[in-house]
Amino acid sequence: DAGVIQSPRHEVTEMGQEVTLRCKPISGHNSLFWYRQTMMRGLELLIYFNNNVPIDDSGMPEDRFSAKMPNASFSTLKIQPSEPRDSAVYFCASRPGTSDTDTQYFGPGTRLTVL
Amino acid sequence: QQPVQSPQAVILREGEDAVINCSSSKALYSVHWYRQKHGEAPVFLMILLKGGEQKGHEKISASFNEKKQQSSLYLTASQLSYSGTYFCGTERFADKLIFGTGTRLQVFP
Repeated sequence: DAGVIQSPRHEVTEMGQEVTLRCKPISGHNSLFWYRQTMMRGLELLIYFNNNVPIDDSGMPEDRFSAKMPNASFSTLKIQPSEPRDSAVYFCASRPGTSDTDTQYFGPGTRLTVL
Repeated sequence: QQPVQSPQAVILREGEDAVINCSSSKALYSVHWYRQKHGEAPVFLMILLKGGEQKGHEKISASFNEKKQQSSLYLTASQLSYSGTYFCGTERFADKLIFGTGTRLQVFP
């Protein structure tokens, strides 16, 4: 089975540009999570969806960040405009459901560098 | 709300043991342990549900004390492949994981 797929794997952009990160969760998984990882702040939960509906976006840093999940097989995280402090590795993860033994499976991540 | 892990870093020789702790200030539903190697995504190791259950995975095991809101990860007879950063992810309800600060483990020959 294919795991969580993210694209691009690396993104270098200039300050002020729009950045769109993409994620395809594991087929059949009901929940999708976006995380940001930096040395200073560790692994932060930005937002998560359940059955394509945003449930908790309290971790989204500010209005420059937005996330969508138009269907069960695709999600995007958009930063507009981007700033150097947004440089980080962004992970997408998916989870089968809400069973006691379910856990999250991470994609390979997108390394974002904002110059 | 973020769980606290200790120690922050561990250096071991092959064959030595280590314990990594994860503490939360909130009542927990479950604890999930992950290992992340440099430049890679976190990889799931095991899940523990409230009830003090202990689980094992190869020579890695873990316990969960729900009264203390604390989990511990035990690595015995460490191998070079155990090197990486270990994260605990905690849940208060069966919905989302909040990850700890991480423990960097290095195993040398």
